[in-house]
Amino acid sequence: GAVVSQHPSWVICKSGTSVKIECRSLDFQATTMFWYRQFPKQSLMLMATSNEGSKATYEQGVEKDKFLINHASLTLSTLTVTSAHPEDSSFYICSARGQYNSPLHFGNGTRLTVT
Amino acid sequence: RKEVEQDPGPFNVPEGATVAFNCTYSNSASQSFFWYRQDCRKEPKLLMSVYSSGNEDGRFTAQLNRASQYISLLIRDSKLSDSATYLCVVNRPGGGGYQKVTFGTGTKLQVIP
Repeated sequence: GAVVSQHPSWVICKSGTSVKIECRSLDFQATTMFWYRQFPKQSLMLMATSNEGSKATYEQGVEKDKFLINHASLTLSTLTVTSAHPEDSSFYICSARGQYNSPLHFGNGTRLTVT
Repeated sequence: RKEVEQDPGPFNVPEGATVAFNCTYSNSASQSFFWYRQDCRKEPKLLMSVYSSGNEDGRFTAQLNRASQYISLLIRDSKLSDSATYLCVVNRPGGGGYQKVTFGTGTKLQVIP
């Protein structure tokens, strides 16, 4: 089946630093990638939708200057959490989709802890 | 009203029971539908697509009711390992040639011995 690789799996960083998370589709071309955040015992929350070659579309309440998304190729999207703070600590998950109407495939998530 | 709605549960069922979840969607232009399962502290994994004619995969049966705008997931002979949160996903045209993907908030299932 389709594989999406996300790394790092976990990261601990100090407050004020930036963290980059990569999401790669390994065996298909991902025209659309999605970034989610999930806090403990809560639902997935969509942060932004990223179509290859165009600017990401951010959901209401998500700061685009804080969460920088780049989708420069059909196999790679990156999320950079800039000037991270402890409240940014969360589980960040990417997903990717190839063709229209095809299912999403998820990366295995990045657990971010900001101290 | 949310675009995709699910009963959050939890559904607590004994091993061997049959359990069904529904997921309603509000946009009649919705085109494709999926069920995912998510285990605690893990990413969602695709369980099955939902086809118009209904489809079955082992103990799991998915159905689509376009007239009433809902999809369902039936699990027969529940196993302890079925304990998870089940998410429905709905795709619809989102403009600009892209699709909008919407997740339900998930239904938690706990299968008890």
